[in-house]
Amino acid sequence: DTGVSQDPRHKITKRGQNVTFRCDPISEHNRLYWYRQTLGQGPEFLTYFQNEAQLEKSRLLSDRFSAERPKGSFSTLEIQRTEQGDSAMYLCASSPGGGSNQPQHFGDGTRLSIL
Amino acid sequence: GDSVTQMEGPVTLSEEAFLTINCTYTATGYPSLFWYVQYPGEGLQLLLKATKADDKGSNKGFEATYRKETTSFHLEKGSVQVSDSAVYFCALHRDDKIIFGKGTRLHILP
Repeated sequence: DTGVSQDPRHKITKRGQNVTFRCDPISEHNRLYWYRQTLGQGPEFLTYFQNEAQLEKSRLLSDRFSAERPKGSFSTLEIQRTEQGDSAMYLCASSPGGGSNQPQHFGDGTRLSIL
Repeated sequence: GDSVTQMEGPVTLSEEAFLTINCTYTATGYPSLFWYVQYPGEGLQLLLKATKADDKGSNKGFEATYRKETTSFHLEKGSVQVSDSAVYFCALHRDDKIIFGKGTRLHILP
């Protein structure tokens, strides 16, 4: 049983560089979510997709952030011109459908550190 | 807007002690309520859920009851084990988003 897979697990980069993370959801899941978790906080919603359509973006997602899910399978999250405040754990989750009764299945996350 | 407040940690207990982690929420309408757990070095896992008032979610000896009158969803376990050491997140789920509390770190001493 393959779960949600995220790559890389860790990313260290200098301020100002661009980074891209990948998420592979559970194969039959059409919903895919991105969250950000900073130290000592719970995850915060960033955006989500139904198949290839990006349905909602949080105010947290500045114009330096872009997410795609081109074929409705894997997704990428890119951060341009990284800043110190971008240091966080980026979590991806998927679910078989929408609605408040559907639990989301989380990956292990990508930890981003900005030097 | 919607929010979740849970007791701050860390919480340190001896093995076989009784556990309560308090969680209250603010929301319009009728969200579903969840507890997620994050073991060291691992991702978030769903622990239990309740989808309507008076529902009780349970799993691995943990229980939580959806109390609409007190807007609470407290997590309880009668006898904790060292393996329960983790961070626990209370969350409400509505409109395809999950709103998490800040998490409560639990340490269980042998």
